[in-house]
Amino acid sequence: DQQVKQNSPSLSVQEGRISILNCDYTNSMFDYFLWYKKYPAEGPTFLISISSIKDKNEDGRFTVFLNKSAKHLSLHIVPSQPGDSAVYFCAASSDGNQAGTALIFGKGTTLSVSS
Amino acid sequence: KAGVTQTPRYLIKTRGQQVTLSCSPISGHRSVSWYQQTPGQGLQFLFEYFSETQRNKGNFPGRFSGRQFSNSRSEMNVSTLELGDSALYLCASSSLRGGGPGELFFGEGSRLTVL
Repeated sequence: DQQVKQNSPSLSVQEGRISILNCDYTNSMFDYFLWYKKYPAEGPTFLISISSIKDKNEDGRFTVFLNKSAKHLSLHIVPSQPGDSAVYFCAASSDGNQAGTALIFGKGTTLSVSS
Repeated sequence: KAGVTQTPRYLIKTRGQQVTLSCSPISGHRSVSWYQQTPGQGLQFLFEYFSETQRNKGNFPGRFSGRQFSNSRSEMNVSTLELGDSALYLCASSSLRGGGPGELFFGEGSRLTVL
């Protein structure tokens, strides 16, 4: 049973517009959430994270929102750029302040930003 | 600072054989974790090592094993290969500075094909 779900396999957005990538989870024990970006032939790279005690975290063009009651998080990219075209993975952890490296990943959403 | 290095990048094996993959973490990182990426299952956690000790293990059969050396380099081994073991195997290192799950730095992966 998938604990972290990214229900949209792909998303197409025009340059300059907002990209919204969604992620749902089922395990209420998750207390930390992360987004990773992956380009072809490269390993995933960390993008942004959020603790379950917060509902928003912002880093430049990237903002992650967490709705614990709905068990839902989203990544907003504003404005979207062609270089943002990649696969985006949502991940969750229930390790708290421990290692937290046993991440549970979603299957990813492929974002395409056209110029 | 050099990134996570995985070798070999590509390899082809036949069913029943075994394979060993190697990972050199970022200098100073003591945690190394391994993930399997397949089109159907996405990224799945295999195991995590810290200071030569396995701290966490995912839901994989005993054919999958690993170890970590005193210099933090890690190897994973898959014995009695099956067709379903064909995947991209990703290694990630972390500095584990606390305050929540550490940011994982991934290597480019080892692409295993089992024939």
